[in-house]
Amino acid sequence: GQQLNQSPQSMFIQEGEDVSMNCTSSSIFNTWLWYKQDPGEGPVLLIALYKAGELTSNGRLTAQFGITRKDSFLNISASIPSDVGIYFCAGQLLGGGTSYGKLTFGQGTILTVHP
Amino acid sequence: AAGVIQSPRHLIKEKRETATLKCYPIPRHDTVYWYQQGPGQDPQFLISFYEKMQSDKGSIPDRFSAQQFSDYHSELNMSSLELGDSALYFCASSSNQGAPGTDTQYFGPGTRLTVL
Repeated sequence: GQQLNQSPQSMFIQEGEDVSMNCTSSSIFNTWLWYKQDPGEGPVLLIALYKAGELTSNGRLTAQFGITRKDSFLNISASIPSDVGIYFCAGQLLGGGTSYGKLTFGQGTILTVHP
Repeated sequence: AAGVIQSPRHLIKEKRETATLKCYPIPRHDTVYWYQQGPGQDPQFLISFYEKMQSDKGSIPDRFSAQQFSDYHSELNMSSLELGDSALYFCASSSNQGAPGTDTQYFGPGTRLTVL
């Protein structure tokens, strides 16, 4: 089945630093999403990307949908302590077939921010 | 804004027992997805429903079944529970119009199932 490779697995940074994480896939998706998950809670949508090459910002977060449709990255600028959590990328393939709509997740990036 | 509601939030069962998890989607959302997340793992797709019909099926054991009702809420029924079924179970809902940008999934808070 489809697999997403997300890196890095974990990051330890100082408050104020910028963060970058990415996902790559062996197959094409037509939607990429980035979620943040706090322990024991549900994933919260951060950014959704719908077009190849699209660059979208949400406050201090910026994400891009790769031109090949097989990759995406997420940048967090000027990190703050509340950015701590697990960040997941997810790919979605719409348009029929047995893979209709379901999300395939990356392995997650655990972010720790030291004050 | 209203979010996805899941109940119960926590559930403790013995091996071989049954469990029922409930999901109430965001109002006017017609599609429900169920995911299972083991400790330290990413969420794995189980099953989805669109307009009360099963639309896709993932790695869902035969011991599990699910359905979507006329009010669009969904229930995941789990029988003959095993220790390995202990996990977080998430429901996500979307308003599905079949094209990119129209099926963004919003997750509920999850049900933590512990099988003893």
